[in-house]
Amino acid sequence: DAMVIQNPRYQVTQFGKPVTLSCSQTLNHNVMYWYQQKSSQAPKLLFHYYDKDFNNEADTPDNFQSRRPNTSFCFLDIRSPGLGDAAMYLCATSGGQGHTDTQYFGPGTRLTVL
Amino acid sequence: AQSVTQPDIHITVSEGASLELRCNYSYGATPYLFWYVQSPGQGLQLLLKYFSGDTLVQGIKGFEAEFKRSQSSFNLRKPSVHWSDAAEYFCAVGAREYGNKLVFGAGTILRVKS
Repeated sequence: DAMVIQNPRYQVTQFGKPVTLSCSQTLNHNVMYWYQQKSSQAPKLLFHYYDKDFNNEADTPDNFQSRRPNTSFCFLDIRSPGLGDAAMYLCATSGGQGHTDTQYFGPGTRLTVL
Repeated sequence: AQSVTQPDIHITVSEGASLELRCNYSYGATPYLFWYVQSPGQGLQLLLKYFSGDTLVQGIKGFEAEFKRSQSSFNLRKPSVHWSDAAEYFCAVGAREYGNKLVFGAGTILRVKS
C-alpha cells in the first residue's frame, strides 16, 4: 500500500544534542510537510517542500531545519533540542494541486528531550 | 486572520448514540474543509473533505459532514457511535487565497461509554 513512513516512531535525545527525524513516502507526491504537535494541541506547520522549493513558516525557530534529497525522502533536523521541543512530529504529503489536495499523514515520531 | 474553532474540547457519548462534533471557521475566502481523526500516539487519518459541490459529504467509517456557508460551519456527524470511534477529531480549513495552508482546530476528544 502507498503510504507515509516515519522513523523512528520514538526518539529520545539529550538537551542540546542534534537529532534527525526521517520521513519517506511511496505516494510520489510532490509536496511534503513537517508539523509539530504538542500534547493536546493542534498540529502546527513548521515548513514544507513543494518539489525542491523549501517554504519556511515565519514563526518556525531557526533551530529547526529540513532537507529533501529526493522526492521520496524528507528529514527534519533539530540542531539543539530544548525541553520545549518535546512533541510529536508529523510528516504529511500531498500531490498535484498543492495544499488544496488532501494531506496524508504518517504515524508520527514522538520526541522526548531529557 | 483565518481561524478554526472547535467549541467542544471533550465529548462523551454512549455507544450506539448519535454524534455531532462542531466546527466553525473564519475565512475571507472560499474554504476547503477537512475532518481528520487521530488515535492516541498515531498520525492523522482523513475522514472526509469538502472542496465544492454537494454540501453534505460522506466519509469513511460511517461519518458525514455538512458544509453550511451561512453559518461558517462544517459539523461532523455519525448516526451510531462505536467504541472504536473514541479518538481525537480535528477540523482543518485551507484556501488557495491563503497559500493553501491548512489551519487546524484545537481538536475534540471523543469518549465512548458502553
